[in-house]
Amino acid sequence: AQTVTQSQPEMSVQEAETVTLSCTYDTSESNYYLFWYKQPPSRQMILVIRQEAYKQQNATENRFSVNFQKAAKSFSLKISDSQLGDTAMYFCAFMIANFGNEKLTFGTGTRLTIIP
Amino acid sequence: ETGVTQSPTHLIKTRGQQVTLRCSSQSGHNTVSWYQQALGQGPQFIFQYYREEENGRGNFPPRFSGLQFPNYSSELNVNALELDDSALYLCASRAGTEETQYFGPGTRLLVL
Repeated sequence: AQTVTQSQPEMSVQEAETVTLSCTYDTSESNYYLFWYKQPPSRQMILVIRQEAYKQQNATENRFSVNFQKAAKSFSLKISDSQLGDTAMYFCAFMIANFGNEKLTFGTGTRLTIIP
Repeated sequence: ETGVTQSPTHLIKTRGQQVTLRCSSQSGHNTVSWYQQALGQGPQFIFQYYREEENGRGNFPPRFSGLQFPNYSSELNVNALELDDSALYLCASRAGTEETQYFGPGTRLLVL
């Protein structure tokens, strides 16, 4: 079974600073995807960034980037120049790349607060 | 906005009742998954439907059942509601050839 661990229940950072959220996972699979989703108080889960396990290059999306360490099974999210709108719950998620088994396994989340 | 819609937004039921939650997939998406998110927790996978058939299920009892229709919209049915069924229920859709799931806003269910 796959597990995802987020060891930081809560974090806060000043606006415009950089923050890194941690995520580790456990799997015996070799072909999978990793995701970071954001869930603001409005509840809608929004995709932030995704990473294919077969790609060595770390994914980036504007101010968001990941540090994917496959051997260490680590997948951290870095938010640069943080903005008030980044305040939300952040969930790390894992999915096996196998038809019929594409369920997302989520961590317990990190509550991020951006302080003005 | 992801193009995935869910109804109703909130629902209150009593223990033992039955409930039906609805999800409209994003255009072009033929796969829908349902998740249960208890307060303060990450979402837990309930099941997935692909082209109207269930093709994956999590650790949920049979009283959780679903349907997917020809237009790829979906329903989640829960029978014999229990207090622990109180949660946010999320549906997510994706194109069968893609890996990214797009979530709806959820239905908040309270069981009294």
